[in-house]
Order: sequence, then C-alpha cells, then structure tokens
Amino acid sequence: AQKVTQAQTEISVVEKEDVTLDCVYETRDTTYYLFWYKQPPSGELVFLIRRNSFDEQNEISGRYSWNFQKSTSSFNFTITASQVVDSAVYFCALSEPTGTASKLTFGTGTRLQVTL
Amino acid sequence: DVKVTQSSRYLVKRTGEKVFLECVQDMDHENMFWYRQDPGLGLRLIYFSYDVKMKEKGDIPEGYSVSREKKERFSLILESASTNQTSMYLCASKNPNSYEQYFGPGTRLTVT
Repeated sequence: AQKVTQAQTEISVVEKEDVTLDCVYETRDTTYYLFWYKQPPSGELVFLIRRNSFDEQNEISGRYSWNFQKSTSSFNFTITASQVVDSAVYFCALSEPTGTASKLTFGTGTRLQVTL
Repeated sequence: DVKVTQSSRYLVKRTGEKVFLECVQDMDHENMFWYRQDPGLGLRLIYFSYDVKMKEKGDIPEGYSVSREKKERFSLILESASTNQTSMYLCASKNPNSYEQYFGPGTRLTVT
C-alpha cells in the first residue's frame, strides 16, 4: 500500500527565513508521481509541482525548490525567503500509475505560519 | 483555466437528514473524485468516478454514495447524515491523460 508521511504538523517562521517541508513516501511501484499542493486559508488546494519517479533532478521555481531523492524516498519542499502569503497548509501526495484514474494518496499536511 | 465548483461553502444539517453535495467541472474531465479532509488525517478518498455512470469506492466509502449522470457533475450523497460526517469535503477532477487533480473550494459540512 502507498503511504505518505509529513512528520511536521506545524512550522512557524519569521518572514524572510528559509523553510523546508519534509515528505517521505512508501510505494512498491517503480513508476509513480509525486506532488505538492498548497491549501491557503480560502480552502482550495492549489497544484504546485509534479515529479515522476524517473526524474531526480531538483527543480526551482522562483522562491520554491524541490529535492527528490529516490534513495531515501523523500520529496522535500523548500521555500526561500518566506513571505506572509506563503502561510498555508502544504500537502505532499503520491500517485499510483495510470490505468485506474491515478488516485492520489495524501500526507497529513504541514501547516506553515509565516509572521512579520 | 480549469474550474471546479461546489454547490455550497458551508452547510449545516441535522442527524438523519439526506445530504447532497454537488460538484461541477467545466473542462470535460472524465475523472472526478470526492475527498474528506479532517485535522491530522489529511485528505482521504471517499469515491471516484472514471466516467459517466462509472464509480469506484475509495478508502472510506462507508456512509456515502455517489452519482455521476453527466460528465461535468459528480454528486456525493450522505443517505443519513451522522455527526461523525462533520468535515470538509473536497471535490477534484482530472483528465485521464494527466496526473494533476484540480480541486474545488470545498464544502464545510456540520452535522448536528
């Protein structure tokens, strides 16, 4: 069975600090996809990134970066120079291979609070 | 942009009532999903639908049913609401050729 663990329940940082959100996953599949979603106070989950299991290159998008390490089954998310607008709940998710509507297994989420 | 809408943002119902939660997407997506979100538990899949009239149970289907009569609409039904079904309900949709799911704003249901 697939499993996603986000051990950090809540993180508080001061604006401009860097912060890393951890994600560890378990799967028996050799082909899979990993995701990060952001849930701001408005409630709607916003897609941030997708990574497939064959691509271990790190990715950077503005202040966001993602570190995928297959050897440790981790897909960590770093926000550089955090801002108040980054305050949200962040979910890591794992998708099974195609063929069955590709269900997502979510972690329990990490609540990030960025203060001035 | 994909738009997924849910009929209500907040809903209060009494124990034993039949409750309908509606979800509509405007991108002709074949796959649709219903999740519930609870503190400390993340999102858990209740039901999903491959296509019209096709449905499959997710991880926690007990106490729920679904209906998909039209491609754009996916309804979640609580036949007899109970207090342990108080939760945030999120609908999502996607194209079968992609992996990203697009979410609606959620319905916060309170059963008293």
